[in-house]
Amino acid sequence: RKEVEQDPGPFNVPEGATVAFNCTYSNSASQSFFWYRQDCRKEPKLLMSVYSSGNEDGRFTAQLNRASQYISLLIRDSKLSDSATYLCVVGGYYKLSFGAGTTVTVRA
Amino acid sequence: GAVVSQHPSRVICKSGTSVKIECRSLDFQATTMFWYRQFPKQSLMLMATSNEGSKATYEQGVEKDKFLINHASLTLSTLTVTSAHPEDSSFYICSASLPAGGPDTQYFGPGTRLTVL
Repeated sequence: RKEVEQDPGPFNVPEGATVAFNCTYSNSASQSFFWYRQDCRKEPKLLMSVYSSGNEDGRFTAQLNRASQYISLLIRDSKLSDSATYLCVVGGYYKLSFGAGTTVTVRA
Repeated sequence: GAVVSQHPSRVICKSGTSVKIECRSLDFQATTMFWYRQFPKQSLMLMATSNEGSKATYEQGVEKDKFLINHASLTLSTLTVTSAHPEDSSFYICSASLPAGGPDTQYFGPGTRLTVL
């Protein structure tokens, strides 16, 4: 079983729409949680950390459910520039485990 | 701050040659650097963790004699792919951790795309 599993998508949405997706992780001892964004053929870039209380950064909202071991990301008012692959990342003991990513394509 | 560079950004080589990739932390000292590999449409896979002045710790299934890692200073780690073969073609990404940033805070380099013919 993979440590981090994500729906690969793609999610094709029109500009202005809301899109949401989840990931699940297998290690209950995981200590830190992140969403990264990766553009085609580029390195991943940190989008936001995810906390148990949930957190928001502009149009992006992340939630963590430790009991069910899943993490979600919601993007409101999608922009064309949001088109990317979103990586769910789980950390613990100085290591990061990456999901394979969920691809989002925002169309005009 | 917290900028990590990699060189080269792209390399094409013949099968059997060795390729060295450099990873540098430009504006901070990184006691720990990480090397990842990403195949198309797959997740980043950690290959090894490198601590300055000591031997790298390799993940299960990664051949230490094939992927040589040297972390000679607090700002430089190198990965050498020895006797590269077409199946080694991949996107290699390094990252560096900033001690004050927490144990799981990593800053990624721009990656090196290796193509072995």
